[in-house]
Amino acid sequence: DAKTTQPPSMDCAEGRAANLPCNHSTISGNEYVYWYRQIHSQGPQYIIHGLKNNETNEMASLIITEDRKSSTLILPHATLRDTAVYYCIVILTGGGNKLTFGTGTQLKVEL
Amino acid sequence: GAVVSQHPSWVICKSGTSVKIECRSLDFQATTMFWYRQFPKQSLMLMATSNEGSKATYEQGVEKDKFLINHASLTLSTLTVTSAHPEDSSFYICSASEGNNPEAFFGQGTRLTVV
Repeated sequence: DAKTTQPPSMDCAEGRAANLPCNHSTISGNEYVYWYRQIHSQGPQYIIHGLKNNETNEMASLIITEDRKSSTLILPHATLRDTAVYYCIVILTGGGNKLTFGTGTQLKVEL
Repeated sequence: GAVVSQHPSWVICKSGTSVKIECRSLDFQATTMFWYRQFPKQSLMLMATSNEGSKATYEQGVEKDKFLINHASLTLSTLTVTSAHPEDSSFYICSASEGNNPEAFFGQGTRLTVV
């Protein structure tokens, strides 16, 4: 079973920030939080990841709570092209570990 | 970033025939590759994990004789759907990871339609 829970869907107005929450209350100390997104009929695309500290890159920001039991992905200025299913996944450190996808959040960005 | 190329992007085949899907890591050595299947409006379901040079490990409920996986080199893994049937129609996606990097790099997926 997936170790994360996310709301099934969210709407966001174009140009506004999209804040996507994820609960991972059973995360262990050697697990990263990764975010991917999947645009219809494409393979998942990496967005960002973090272990304990907040992270930012050109696509998004990741806020991880101090107890690491939840996180929020922030798309600062959502566009129509950000409409996708967003998956929050916890991954063990070290390579070769299989990913378990939950149901993700369908983000719909509208005018 | 690392690139994983999957081929073909779509294929239509007749019932009873076999179809091979290729997954290549273009700029890194993929010690581990994963194969997923995704039905419409559902999440990705892991089918199997393959490590270069060894037999694949299949998830529960996935028939290893029907979904043949070969990972003969550090840059190529193949999934062969044998004796395909309409219920095998799905979106198949591969991913690869390198060494101790936990991140997975995904292919663009293959849409299989069995008629």
